[in-house]
Amino acid sequence: DAKTTQPPSMDCAEGRAANLPCNHSTISGNEYVYWYRQIHSQGPQYIIHGLKNNETNEMASLIITEDRKSSTLILPHATLRDTAVYYCIVRGLDQTGANNLFFGTGTRLTVIP
Amino acid sequence: SQTIHQWPATLVQPVGSPLSLECTVEGTSNPNLYWYRQAAGRGLQLLFYSVGIGQISSEVPQNLSASRPQDRQFILSSKKLLLSDSGFYLCAWRRGAGNTIYFGEGSWLTVV
Repeated sequence: DAKTTQPPSMDCAEGRAANLPCNHSTISGNEYVYWYRQIHSQGPQYIIHGLKNNETNEMASLIITEDRKSSTLILPHATLRDTAVYYCIVRGLDQTGANNLFFGTGTRLTVIP
Repeated sequence: SQTIHQWPATLVQPVGSPLSLECTVEGTSNPNLYWYRQAAGRGLQLLFYSVGIGQISSEVPQNLSASRPQDRQFILSSKKLLLSDSGFYLCAWRRGAGNTIYFGEGSWLTVV
C-alpha cells in the first residue's frame, strides 16, 4: 500500500470548513484513498473513500486531484465534536483484507469555539 | 444498519492471568472479522482475521489466540498474559466483497 503524508496538526474555527490535505504521490492505479478519524481512546471511524472521482456523503467531501497524487478531506461545517486525529490511507482491493493498515501519525484537527 | 461492539472497554489484568475480549457484529451476515493492535503513531498491526466460522488466520506469532464460534462473534484470548500484551486492541469487520473496514470501540488492556 502506498504511503501518505499529512500535516501533523491543524486548527479550524467552529462552523467553518476544515480542509485536510493528504499527499500520496506513489499511489497506484487500483488503490483507493480512505479517510478515518479517531477520537482519543476510541476505535477509528470510517469517513469516506474514493478512487478517482470526488465523493460526498453525510459526513464529508473528498476531493482527489486529477493525477491522484493528493487529496483533500473537507468537513463543511466543523463542530467541536469533529476534534480528532484524521488519517488518510491508501489501499488496494484484496480478497481478505488481511494486511496491516498503516495509519501513520495523521492530522490532529482541533476545532476552536 | 450494521454495528460492531467489543468489550470490555478497559481491562487491567495481572501477568499470567487469562484474557478474553469479545466482539460481535450485527446487521450483516458472513462478515470478514479482524483483530488489530494499535501502537501510537505506528498504525494498526493485524493479529488475526477470519473469513468464516471456525476459520482463523494468524498474522503474527504471539501469546494470543482467536476464535469464531458464531458467524458474527470473534473472540481474542490468552491463557497467560505477558506485560508486553498491554495495548489497545481493535475488532473490525468488512463485507466479504467490499473493502471498507469498520472498527469497534477498542479495548484498552493493561497487564500489571
